Amino acid sequence: QVQLVQSGADVKKPGASVKLSCKAFGYTFTSYFMHWVRQAPGQGLEWMGIINPSGGSTTYAQKFQGRVTMTRDTSTSTVYMQLSSLRSEDTAVYYCAREPINYVPSFDPWGQGTLVTVSA
Amino acid sequence: DIQMTQSPSSLSASVGDRVTITCRASQSISDYLNWYQQKPGKAPKLLIYAASSLQSGVPSRFSGSGSGTDFTLTISSLQPEDFASYYCQQSYSSPRTFGQGTKVEIK
Repeated sequence: QVQLVQSGADVKKPGASVKLSCKAFGYTFTSYFMHWVRQAPGQGLEWMGIINPSGGSTTYAQKFQGRVTMTRDTSTSTVYMQLSSLRSEDTAVYYCAREPINYVPSFDPWGQGTLVTVSA
Repeated sequence: DIQMTQSPSSLSASVGDRVTITCRASQSISDYLNWYQQKPGKAPKLLIYAASSLQSGVPSRFSGSGSGTDFTLTISSLQPEDFASYYCQQSYSSPRTFGQGTKVEIK
């Protein structure tokens, strides 16, 4: 069935970078955008950016411009999200979520989430 | 960016109650409005897309309405498994902004 499986939890020191993965199963990888959304502890959902797996084009939220890079590997149906210059405020659960390219836009399904903890 | 404002931010209700959550967009988004349910420690789950279309597998007690700037999510008869947080999201333009969420708690 359609599923997004994300990499495991990670702990990083301030100033470091983290690279998360999201592997897609059960559908045509290049027919759907992939978004990244994060959720700080006890907070709401924050959109970070989008990648089109077909051509690799990306759009990032202004807040993360210069710190985030989204890439994809079509041979393994995997998208990656790298966030650099980490600070404590980046401690959050990071989700990937699929959106159809040629249908009503909505996020379904979501990955299970990856907890990133930034701590000295 | 389009701002999404949900109300209330939290509510207490009993099993069997009718519950209504509202979401307002800072500009017209036609019917490009989605609703998600999130339970503690879990990823969000799509409930309603395009303002009023029920996602496959979602119980019919959930319904959505509205267009333009004002939208509503209604749970006709609250069930124990419905106690969760609910988020609206606009998919009219990028960035895909979310409301701040509504936590539905047991009364």
